[in-house]
Parts: sequence; structure tokens; C-alpha cells
Amino acid sequence: RKEVEQDPGPFNVPEGATVAFNCTYSNSASQSFFWYRQDCRKEPKLLMSVYSSGNEDGRFTAQLNRASQYISLLIRDSKLSDSATYLCVVNPRGGNEKLTFGTGTRLTIIP
Amino acid sequence: SAVISQKPSRDICQRGTSLTIQCQVDSQVTMMFWYRQQPGQSLTLIATANQGSEATYESGFVIDKFPISRPNLTFSTLTVSNMSPEDSSIYLCSVEGGTGGYEQYFGPGTRLTVT
Repeated sequence: RKEVEQDPGPFNVPEGATVAFNCTYSNSASQSFFWYRQDCRKEPKLLMSVYSSGNEDGRFTAQLNRASQYISLLIRDSKLSDSATYLCVVNPRGGNEKLTFGTGTRLTIIP
Repeated sequence: SAVISQKPSRDICQRGTSLTIQCQVDSQVTMMFWYRQQPGQSLTLIATANQGSEATYESGFVIDKFPISRPNLTFSTLTVSNMSPEDSSIYLCSVEGGTGGYEQYFGPGTRLTVT
């Protein structure tokens, strides 16, 4: 089983719709979780950290389910500029600075 | 977050040659990381570079192929040695965010093509 697994998509979603991605991780000792966004031919950029209590940043909501070992990202009222690849990232060994990246979910917002 | 620059932004190199990639950060950081992103793939950690000590390499990566320097707290280099077409990739450096939450921030990457 991969350390971090994501549905690669692509997700093609009409503008204004709500879209959700899930990501599963294999190491129950994982401590830190993130969603990154990567635009074509650009570096990954931190979108948001994911906290145990769940957290929201504008149209974006991230949630963590430790029992089932998955994290989710919800995007409401999607914009054309949300088109990108979304990377699920996990700090798998807790207390260690190394990050493990999922393969990414490709999202395209359609006008 | 830190501002990170990389040089060169891209290069086309011949098989058997070596390329050194530079990573400069606008603030002092303890740890710097080097990643590779092959076409259509996600990021794979090559090594972790601490100032004043040898870099720590991940499984599948060796110092002879990817020597790393970390002369001070704002700079690091990664050399891709004796290149082959399989080394064609994007190479990215990153630094920790410094909040204790283990998030990392990335440089713009170096796009390497080996012919």
C-alpha cells in the first residue's frame, strides 16, 4: 500500500460547483497533513494545513479523519482559477521533518 | 514564508556531463530539502541538507550521483553527476516553514533535460 494515495482524476467541474477530494494515508502515526496546489510547470504551493478539528479558509475546507486515515479537501463555489493539481502531503513519521507527497488530483474548472 | 530562488531555471545538458543547481533563501533556515519531480509524477525526496553536516540521502539516491553542499544557512547546491536521459526532471529545493508544523515552501524549480 502506498504511503499516500489520491484519486488522480481528472475532475472536470463546472464553475460555481462544489468539489471534494479525498486522500488516504497508511501510517497511523502520521502527525501533520497538508494540501498543496501545483499549477502546470510551477512549484507546489501550500494551500492549507489540515488540523484534527478541521479547518476552513474562505471557500476551502479541510478535514482529517484519523480513525479511517483519510483527509479531505472541499472547494465551494469553484472558480476557473482553482484549476490545478492538488497534492495531498503527509508527515508520515511524526516528529520527523520529511514529507510524503501523493501523486495529485487534477482539477479542471469548466466555464 | 521564505523567498526561495533557484538557478538555473532550466537547462539542456548532454549525457555524461554534470549540472550544479543553486538554491538561495532570503532567511536563515536549519534544514533544506532537495526533491525530484519526474514528468507526470509527484515529488520524491532526494536528500535533506543541514548546514555543517553531511546530507542525508533517501533510499535510491547516493552521494556520488547527487552531491550536495550546504555551506551556510541560506544556500545549498545539488549536483546531478554523469547525467543520463533518465535524469531529465524538475529539481526543487524547499525549506521548512518554521512554525513547527513541518510545512515546507518550495523554490521555483530547475527543469533539466538530458539529451
